[in-house]
Amino acid sequence: EIVMTQSPATLSVSPGESATLSCRASQSLITNLAWYQQKLGQAPRLLIYGASTRATGIPARFSGSGSGTEYTLTISSLQSDDFAIYYCQQYNAWPFTFGPGTKVDIK
Amino acid sequence: QVQIQDSGPRLVKPSETLSHTCTVSGASIRDYYWNWIRQSPGKGLEWIGFINNRGSTNYNPSLKSRVAISIDTSNNHLSLTLTSVTAADTAVYYCVGGRYPYFFDFWGQGTLVTVSS
Repeated sequence: EIVMTQSPATLSVSPGESATLSCRASQSLITNLAWYQQKLGQAPRLLIYGASTRATGIPARFSGSGSGTEYTLTISSLQSDDFAIYYCQQYNAWPFTFGPGTKVDIK
Repeated sequence: QVQIQDSGPRLVKPSETLSHTCTVSGASIRDYYWNWIRQSPGKGLEWIGFINNRGSTNYNPSLKSRVAISIDTSNNHLSLTLTSVTAADTAVYYCVGGRYPYFFDFWGQGTLVTVSS
């Protein structure tokens, strides 16, 4: 099983600033990685797949990068709607696994 | 727009079977791939298993001996059964679909299932 780790666990950011979230895999994923956003009481929402392709309707301020074992989600100019928990998920090998999440909260 | 409605009991006794169904509307279930995912405070998000429109499945090895997923393409239904449940199976269970088998475009609202006597 591929183990996913995320850092930091919590990121405090002021509205309008940028946030950089990291995700690491225990083995190479090529670029088979997705990012999700989850708000309190809601189901996760797909943001990014293929490490860098935005899902339908996702604003351009969300961008993903990386390959191999290291990945980054960048949120530029954070808006109030962006404060949430972000998860990465690998789909390079069964079973699919998720990271523990990074909580982005208001500074 | 694809909509997913979860249904099933919210309280299950230890050692019994959890049975959950989701109904898909706004699209044919045949047009997408389907997964079940659960989320608990202790284990975070956990992928349970996958099914395609031909009924081929793939399960998480950690649950494989206890889980079964089925699809009813005539009625746009998906089903999940998990046998011999324990408190560790307490979680929010999500029915999840996608254009590809591997990541998850749309999610049901989720149902909190508590395992307790």
